[in-house]
Amino acid sequence: DTGVSQDPRHKITKRGQNVTFRCDPISEHNRLYWYRQTLGQGPEFLTYFQNEAQLEKSRLLSDRFSAERPKGSFSTLEIQRTEQGDSAMYLCASSLDRDRLEQFFGPGTRLTVL
Amino acid sequence: AQKVTQAQTEISVVEKEDVTLDCVYETRDTTYYLFWYKQPPSGELVFLIRRNSFDEQNEISGRYSWNFQKSTSSFNFTITASQVVDSAVYFCALSEVYNTDKLIFGTGTRLQVFP
Repeated sequence: DTGVSQDPRHKITKRGQNVTFRCDPISEHNRLYWYRQTLGQGPEFLTYFQNEAQLEKSRLLSDRFSAERPKGSFSTLEIQRTEQGDSAMYLCASSLDRDRLEQFFGPGTRLTVL
Repeated sequence: AQKVTQAQTEISVVEKEDVTLDCVYETRDTTYYLFWYKQPPSGELVFLIRRNSFDEQNEISGRYSWNFQKSTSSFNFTITASQVVDSAVYFCALSEVYNTDKLIFGTGTRLQVFP
């Protein structure tokens, strides 16, 4: 039984470039969350999907950020025109409806914007 | 507003010492859940425990124990007879049941256990 996977694990990009991250939740988990974690801080909620519907977005998610979950399975998080302040670990988590409180986290994608 | 405070930024202990990690939370909801997660150097968050706001019983799991006190809005975590493998960053988190179940994390406590 595989856990949540994220790709890539590391991404280095130059300021102004676009980046896209992928998250594959645990099979049959219909809830999917994105969090961002900066150095020395706890993860902060970005957005939440129930199946393919994006039900909540944090105000942290500026208009340069977009997330999708087109078929209710994997999700992508895109950052356009990256800024140095976007450098962080991007974490994905998934859970089941019947036990929605137990979120399983992936290993994260570490983004460095030069 | 919801908030989780972990005042201890870093704790260092020698193996076999007991250590308590503090967590204080704020919420206006009467129904909520509290969590502890461990983040080892590999980076992946590992779920340790979940408690709901109606259950103030303390819990023990092996060397781990948790003390939930609604009167002081605290949910402290104690590791007994610490081991080097316990070295990690530990996060306390809050979830309000009627708010998409998103987790609100504290800033974490880095625990270093020396041999």
